[in-house]
Amino acid sequence: AQSVTQLDSHVSVSEGTPVLLRCNYSSSYSPSLFWYVQHPNKGLQLLLKYTSAATLVKGINGFEAEFKKSETSFHLTKPSAHMSDAAEYFCVVSNTGFQKLVFGTGTRLLVSP
Amino acid sequence: GAVVSQHPSRVICKSGTSVKIECRSLDFQATTMFWYRQFPKKSLMLMATSNEGSKATYEQGVEKDKFLINHASLTLSTLTVTSAHPEDSSFYICSAQGGGSPYEQYFGPGTRLTVT
Repeated sequence: AQSVTQLDSHVSVSEGTPVLLRCNYSSSYSPSLFWYVQHPNKGLQLLLKYTSAATLVKGINGFEAEFKKSETSFHLTKPSAHMSDAAEYFCVVSNTGFQKLVFGTGTRLLVSP
Repeated sequence: GAVVSQHPSRVICKSGTSVKIECRSLDFQATTMFWYRQFPKKSLMLMATSNEGSKATYEQGVEKDKFLINHASLTLSTLTVTSAHPEDSSFYICSAQGGGSPYEQYFGPGTRLTVT
């Protein structure tokens, strides 16, 4: 069975400061991992994905994540937060074939001026 | 590209009635479509997977007679909540696979269902 644990339900940062959203996964085989963002009244948008290539994955809008097998982690980072980054973020693990996505419980990112 | 729409965005219905939600892939053919349910402050839960022209595969615990899924074409899937009850009130999200990236699921904006 696969699962992901998002360690923080809420993260608050100031604009211009770094962002760290934490995710740990559990998988019985090499996982594929994703980060999605959900803005209010908009569909989930893929930020980045890890599919067994480079362990440091760069995504859209300046986000990146590092796959660490020894720590079973896939934390999302961004050097400098923007107000527009305020949203709900989901860490997701997938089976091979990418059909069964297992979502974490989400982390709400709050960005203050 | 790879846009998925849902209609309606919000619907309110009376207890005991049925409501249909449409999911369309606007600019690609979706070989597979998925239906998720999102509870308040909870993650998304996969309800079912459907392939065009085939019966949907439901996840454990999801009542197939209550949540009817039809995937009649490569661009349209529908979810019908039959005999809706207040506990069916939720945010329903569809996704479609088959766009530019072979593995990516493209998500619709969701439908807020309220059963009174």
